Amino acid sequence: KQEVTQIPAALSVPEGENLVLNCSFTDSAIYNLQWFRQDPGKGLTSLLLIQSSQREQTSGRLNASLDKSSGRSTLYIAASQPGDSATYLCAVNLSNYQLIWGAGTKLIIKP
Amino acid sequence: DVKVTQSSRYLVKRTGEKVFLECVQDMDHENMFWYRQDPGLGLRLIYFSYDVKMKEKGDIPEGYSVSREKKERFSLILESASTNQTSMYLCASSPHGPSSYEQYFGPGTRLTVT
Repeated sequence: KQEVTQIPAALSVPEGENLVLNCSFTDSAIYNLQWFRQDPGKGLTSLLLIQSSQREQTSGRLNASLDKSSGRSTLYIAASQPGDSATYLCAVNLSNYQLIWGAGTKLIIKP
Repeated sequence: DVKVTQSSRYLVKRTGEKVFLECVQDMDHENMFWYRQDPGLGLRLIYFSYDVKMKEKGDIPEGYSVSREKKERFSLILESASTNQTSMYLCASSPHGPSSYEQYFGPGTRLTVT
């Protein structure tokens, strides 16, 4: 059974630092992996989607990598800002219908 | 931009009440999903629908039902609300096609059952 783990559960860093969030999954048979952002009390915003055949995707200050063989993905945030404070979720796509979710990493960027 | 809207942001209901949560998407997506999100458990799929009048159970369908009479609208029904259904409910949609397509989420409904 596919399981997705995100470590750490919470992270607090000073503004301006570069940081890495981790996501691991137990079964490499995935179609793609998505990173989402969730602000307190709100829905999810898709940040990056990496296809199973890709190694990384970039959007602005965000870079997501995927290593299927080791069952790992990382989300790299460059030059962090207070506005980046949110919970970051990763999800692996097993089919057109089913996403398996991690529990998230709560990120706090201190001004 | 894809827009997924949910009928209520906050809802308070009493135990035993019948509760309707509505979700509407404006991008002609075939697939629609209902999740619940609880602290420490992440998102869990309740039901999904891949076409009008079609539905499939997700991981935790017990105590819920769904209705999809029109392509743009997907309703989640709690036949008799219980306190353990207090949660954040999230609706999502996605198009048919290769499994590469991503899901788009609504803002969520925080339901409290007292």
